Amino acid sequence: KAGVTQTPRYLIKTRGQQVTLSCSPISGHRSVSWYQQTPGQGLQFLFEYFSETQRNKGNFPGRFSGRQFSNSRSEMNVSTLELGDSALYLCASSREGGRFNEQYFGPGTRLTVT
Amino acid sequence: AQRVTQPEKLLSVFKGAPVELKCNYSYSGSPELFWYVQYSRQRLQLLLRHISRESIKGFTADLNKGETSFHLKKPFAQEEDSAMYYCALYNFNKFYFGSGTKLNVKP
Repeated sequence: KAGVTQTPRYLIKTRGQQVTLSCSPISGHRSVSWYQQTPGQGLQFLFEYFSETQRNKGNFPGRFSGRQFSNSRSEMNVSTLELGDSALYLCASSREGGRFNEQYFGPGTRLTVT
Repeated sequence: AQRVTQPEKLLSVFKGAPVELKCNYSYSGSPELFWYVQYSRQRLQLLLRHISRESIKGFTADLNKGETSFHLKKPFAQEEDSAMYYCALYNFNKFYFGSGTKLNVKP
């Protein structure tokens, strides 16, 4: 079956702009989690969506937001971009989320803020 | 606060040598520990989880609650083990990842 897909794969934005990233989970998966990956910091959890509801949230400012659609596809939005937002953004899907359901990661979207 | 520490950014070993990737954690509650791996030009994927007590690709990891460690071990490293390894903790409905260790297995 098809894996997790993320679009776009690369993005260059300017400080102050906003950006929307998209994630399509594996068919049948209802949980989508987003992570920010930066050198030295590893992966940091942004939020998880399940059945169109944000179920968990990490420690990121309100500029980071997301949503999930009825087909489980998810988007994340970052407003008022800062240079420090440059990172690889990964999404991961799983059937139900939680510790017992394996997460499957997408290839990531590389965001560069100039 | 939950925290996962991987003290080594890079670990180089020769093929056939034992390898141990270190992971220490701090937590509140009852954590679940995982190891994830990312091979070159591939996606991040689950390697093993402590609750399964399994050996995957020759790797094992033992949870030591006294030392709050979950080190990943393999007795004889192979060149195909070269990858980025991340330790992760699941607690309070969230995954917390370490910063990763790059394993380089030399021929």
